[in-house]
Amino acid sequence: AQSVAQPEDQVNVAEGNPLTVKCTYSVSGNPYLFWYVQYPNRGLQFLLKYITGDNLVKGSYGFEAEFNKSQTSFHLKKPSALVSDSALYFCAVRVLYSSASKIIFGSGTRLSIRP
Amino acid sequence: DSGVTQTPKHLITATGQRVTLRCSPRSGDLSVYWYQQSLDQGLQFLIQYYNGEERAKGNILERFSAQQFPDLHSELNLSSLELGDSALYFCASSSPGKTDGYTFGSGTRLTVV
Repeated sequence: AQSVAQPEDQVNVAEGNPLTVKCTYSVSGNPYLFWYVQYPNRGLQFLLKYITGDNLVKGSYGFEAEFNKSQTSFHLKKPSALVSDSALYFCAVRVLYSSASKIIFGSGTRLSIRP
Repeated sequence: DSGVTQTPKHLITATGQRVTLRCSPRSGDLSVYWYQQSLDQGLQFLIQYYNGEERAKGNILERFSAQQFPDLHSELNLSSLELGDSALYFCASSSPGKTDGYTFGSGTRLTVV
């Protein structure tokens, strides 16, 4: 079955330290991978995507993600965390079926940055 | 503003009632997706429409239904509401052939009392 997993419900990091939010996927074919962020009482905002090309993808707010095909992972990273990065983060993968596609989301990881 | 408009933003209703949530997709997008997010839960895919036709169904209850109109706006109808239906309901839109992900609306928070 095609799926995406976020093994950590919560990640706690001190401000200024690097952060990593983990994501692994299972899809057939070449994956289209995404990260979204959700702030309280808001919709999801697109952060970055991997379609093809360079395995290191840069996105909004200083975030980046590394695509690793052999490990089927797409971890989200940031070199120096900010308190304002505290939010809920979703990894997602686009899957193809019939003549359409849909995006399935991981369960989300709550990122908490302490001052 | 993402370009996807959802109304109303908040809705409080009693058990057993019926409500309609509305979504206008981003200009040019033909697909509309509905998701449910319960408290501390991830996003549960409910249903997808493309240019007026249903394309995919997820974990959508029989009490729920949706449609997409010729002007591409979509409505999600929730009936015989239960306390457990209280959640954030998100609409997202996309266009075929584009490699971008979805564009999400800000959601409708439904509270069933």
